[in-house]
Amino acid sequence: DIQMTQSPASLSASPEEIVTITCQASQDIGNWLAWYQQKPGKSPQLLIYSATSLADGIPSRFSGSRSGTQYSLKISRLQVEDTGIYYCLQRYSNPWTFGGGTKLELK
Amino acid sequence: EVKLLESGGGLVQPGGSMRLSCAASGFTFTDFYMYWIRQPAGKAPEWLGFIRNKANGYTTEYNPSVKGRFTISRDNTQNMLYLQMNTLRAEDTATYYCATRITTGVMDAWGQGASVTVSS
Repeated sequence: DIQMTQSPASLSASPEEIVTITCQASQDIGNWLAWYQQKPGKSPQLLIYSATSLADGIPSRFSGSRSGTQYSLKISRLQVEDTGIYYCLQRYSNPWTFGGGTKLELK
Repeated sequence: EVKLLESGGGLVQPGGSMRLSCAASGFTFTDFYMYWIRQPAGKAPEWLGFIRNKANGYTTEYNPSVKGRFTISRDNTQNMLYLQMNTLRAEDTATYYCATRITTGVMDAWGQGASVTVSS
């Protein structure tokens, strides 16, 4: 199975700060990487797909990038509503696997 | 508006079976892949598998962790997706989500989830 190592596990930042979350894939997955945000008691919401493409309705302060097998989600100008848990997902090969999650809190 | 609504969750004894349902609306059901994902409380989601669309023969793919115990099916006349779960174990306790991919090639519309508890 492809392992997705996500870091950090938790993060506290202030409004308007820039935040970066990373996922390291255990092997090449191309651009088959998505990012989700999940709020308590809710289902995950797609933010980014194909490593860098912004999903419909997602604010432009969210962006995705790739460097080799490392993938990053950047949130520029952090807003209060950005709190939650963020997960990456690889769909390069079966089984599709999620990262362990990053819990983002605002100071 | 795309809507997915899971039902059929609850408490089941170890070794038992349960079938989850997912009612889909707001899109042409036969055109889209349908997915099941589960999430134990406080843990990351786990992809369980999917069933392809009409153009791809409604074939299925499963996570090896559940292959042989779980079966994904669909009733295209009723716009319903199903997850039949057999020989359930305590570690199958989770919230189970159905999802589809409408525009992005990855799960971009999710249901609200159905809770399954496996316990004696």
